[in-house]
Amino acid sequence: GENVEQHPSTLSVQEGDSAVIKCTYSDSASNYFPWYKQELGKRPQLIIDIRSNVGEKKDQRIAVTLNKTAKHFSLHITETQPEDSAVYFCAASQTSNTGKLIFGQGTTLQVKP
Amino acid sequence: NAGVTQTPKFQVLKTGQSMTLQCAQDMNHEYMSWYRQDPGMGLRLIHYSVGAGITDQGEVPNGYNVSRSTTEDFPLRLLSAAPSQTSVYFCASSYYRGYEQFFGPGTRLTVL
Repeated sequence: GENVEQHPSTLSVQEGDSAVIKCTYSDSASNYFPWYKQELGKRPQLIIDIRSNVGEKKDQRIAVTLNKTAKHFSLHITETQPEDSAVYFCAASQTSNTGKLIFGQGTTLQVKP
Repeated sequence: NAGVTQTPKFQVLKTGQSMTLQCAQDMNHEYMSWYRQDPGMGLRLIHYSVGAGITDQGEVPNGYNVSRSTTEDFPLRLLSAAPSQTSVYFCASSYYRGYEQFFGPGTRLTVL
């Protein structure tokens, strides 16, 4: 089955710096890659997703890149702000089959003011 | 719309007890899932359903049962609770596979 590895497990940056979180997946048939943000004590919420027919997607300060050959994808946050502090999860799914969404272990991002 | 709702919010069980975690959604979503969240281990898929009457196992199904008799409801049953099942449980739903999953508020379960 699918396995998703996420690094780093913790990341601390200064406000205004960029943050990058990387994930690798094992199933080459996976074609949907969402990213979720979970604030302390809250439920996970989708912040951006990408499908395998696209190499990059941006939404304001957030971007995701996908390298299908290497089976890895990354989340990029620019101009970080204290409210970006949270746990971020990547995930992978094969939508043509069961559609099971398998998550990485999570990255705790701390943005220092 | 209430979105995805879960009850109870908190629960304490003794080893060997059984219970059902309730999950409901009012968005007419076909796809529903149960996850457990433990520190450092992310969100692990327990069971999922692609529609009413259809369920399947996820990554960590042992000790849990599910059923999906209606589109709206997807209860998770703990058959005989064990301390290893102490966790935060999230239910999620999406319109279809490969679409945004909306999560419920979670149930914090402690098994003594």
